Amino acid sequence: QVKLLQSGAALVKPGDSVKMSCKASGYTFTDYIIHWVKQSHGKSLEWIGYINPYSGGTNYNEKFKSKATLTVDKSSSTAYMEFSRLTSEDSAIYYCAKRFAYWGQGTLVTVSS
Amino acid sequence: DIQMTQSPSSLPASLGDRVTITCRASQDIGNYLRWFQQKPGKSPRLMIYGATNLANGVPSRFSGSRSGSDYSLTINSLESEDMAIYYCLQHNEYPYTFGAGTKLELK
Repeated sequence: QVKLLQSGAALVKPGDSVKMSCKASGYTFTDYIIHWVKQSHGKSLEWIGYINPYSGGTNYNEKFKSKATLTVDKSSSTAYMEFSRLTSEDSAIYYCAKRFAYWGQGTLVTVSS
Repeated sequence: DIQMTQSPSSLPASLGDRVTITCRASQDIGNYLRWFQQKPGKSPRLMIYGATNLANGVPSRFSGSRSGSDYSLTINSLESEDMAIYYCLQHNEYPYTFGAGTKLELK
């Protein structure tokens, strides 16, 4: 069955970067794009962007263009998102999703000094 | 960006009720509309895709409909397991945008 397994929670300092992972299984990784979604505490969802694992092509929400970098490692069927120059506004749960039908369990990022 | 105006933000209801949640799109999105259910501490779950199609494993008491730029999620005969937050998503145009959410709770 399709599974997306995300990396564990991260506590990072303001100004630092964080890189989180999303390991896919149960399907051909390169056949479907992976979306990334942000959910701030108690708030709604925001689409960050997607990556095409086959081509490496990306499409970012303009709001996150200077903040997020999406990559993949086809050999391990893993998608990555790096968030840079972190501020308290970046504290949130980040999800990866395949066609929005399958979601990872989320990675909690807390930005605090 | 396309705005998805979701209403109501909170919906108190009783078991067995029929409830409807609506999202209004600020621009044409065709049927590129999905509905998600999210319970506390859990990832969103796809309920409806293509505005009207039930996702795999979703109970038949859930249904989706469209009237112009208004998209609705209806739950017939509410059950306790349906208490959650519901979100709509438009995926017709980038950036994809979600509604603000509707918290369905017991009256």
